[in-house]
Amino acid sequence: EIVLTQSPGTLSLSPGERATLSCRASQSVSSNYLAWYQQKPGQAPRLLIFGASSRATGIADRFSGSGSGTDFTLTVSRLEPEDFAVYYCQQYGSSPRTFGQGTKVEIK
Amino acid sequence: EVQLLESGGGLVQPGESLRLSCAASGFTFSSYVMTWVRQAPGKGLEWLSAIGGGGSSSYYSDSVKGRFTISRDNSNNTLYLQMSSLRAEDTAVYYCAKGGGNWVSYFDSWGQGTLVTVSS
Repeated sequence: EIVLTQSPGTLSLSPGERATLSCRASQSVSSNYLAWYQQKPGQAPRLLIFGASSRATGIADRFSGSGSGTDFTLTVSRLEPEDFAVYYCQQYGSSPRTFGQGTKVEIK
Repeated sequence: EVQLLESGGGLVQPGESLRLSCAASGFTFSSYVMTWVRQAPGKGLEWLSAIGGGGSSSYYSDSVKGRFTISRDNSNNTLYLQMSSLRAEDTAVYYCAKGGGNWVSYFDSWGQGTLVTVSS
């Protein structure tokens, strides 16, 4: 099973700042089959990024994904008030599918 | 527009069974892998099970293998999760999610979730 470790656990930032979230895999993620999801309180997760770097439909271009192999990054270039949420990475190249434990981006 | 609507959650006692449903619309249901994911209160996301578009292939996490059964009714665009021998640690919000046209896919649409509480 591929274990995904996200860091930091919590990121305290102000609107307009840049957010950099890390996701590290215990072994190489096949073909960079790595996705990022955003979840707000009381809501279902929403797909942001797939294939490590492709934005999902309707996702603002301030969200970007990068990385390969075992190290992946989600960057939010300039935080908007609606971006404060929990973010999860997930690998879908190996069974079982696994999620990271999440990074909470909170308002400083 | 893709819509997924879960139902069937509730309060059950340990050892009991429950069946969750997920009604799908807005896409050709039978063409997509469907998945169940759960989230315990205050915790992260846990993948549970997936089923192929035709319904003949399915996979489970070790945590639910042998206790939960995923199935689908393509004529009624509905996904199911039959849960048995429920335990306190199964308490969670259960989400259904739409995958891709093949097994190697992310989850591009999610339902709003249904809460299952296992307690005596």
